Amino acid sequence: AQSVAQPEDQVNVAEGNPLTVKCTYSVSGNPYLFWYVQYPNRGLQFLLKYITGDNLVKGSYGFEAEFNKSQTSFHLKKPSALVSDSALYFCAVRPQGNKLTFGTGTQLKVEL
Amino acid sequence: NAGVTQTPKFQVLKTGQSMTLQCAQDMNHNSMYWYRQDPGMGLRLIYYSASEGTTDKGEVPNGYNVSRLNKREFSLRLESAAPSQTSVYFCASMEYEQYFGPGTRLTVT
Repeated sequence: AQSVAQPEDQVNVAEGNPLTVKCTYSVSGNPYLFWYVQYPNRGLQFLLKYITGDNLVKGSYGFEAEFNKSQTSFHLKKPSALVSDSALYFCAVRPQGNKLTFGTGTQLKVEL
Repeated sequence: NAGVTQTPKFQVLKTGQSMTLQCAQDMNHNSMYWYRQDPGMGLRLIYYSASEGTTDKGEVPNGYNVSRLNKREFSLRLESAAPSQTSVYFCASMEYEQYFGPGTRLTVT
């Protein structure tokens, strides 16, 4: 069965510093990988996805993610964090077919 | 485009009452989904519909039923609400990535 792990419940970072939100997955085959962001009292918004090709994927709002097949990881990164990036971030995997499996989420807090 | 819309936004039910959550999408997607979100548990799939006319159980289907009314609409019904169904419910549709509605916050007392 597929699974997604986000090992940190919360990540704190100072504005202007780089940020990383970690995600590892366990699934057979070559999955599609996704990152979503959720602001308070809102639905999830798509940030970026990896399907195939370049291991570094660029997405919305300056975010990027690095796919590492050997480590089965798909960490979300941003070179310079903003206070407005504070939100709940979800990693998800789509092995084959139509279903996604989501991680439990990481709360990102960016402080001045 | 409105994307994915859900009604109602908020609802309070008493134990044993029934209700239907409505979802519609205008992106012509084949696949639609219902999730519930609870603190510390991420999103859990209740039911999904890979295409018009088909529905399948997800991870937590007990206590729920769904109807894929047409390609645009996918409803979720609680026949006899229980306090354990207090949650935030999200509908989503997908072509390559999923697009989510704004959610329904349901409280069962």
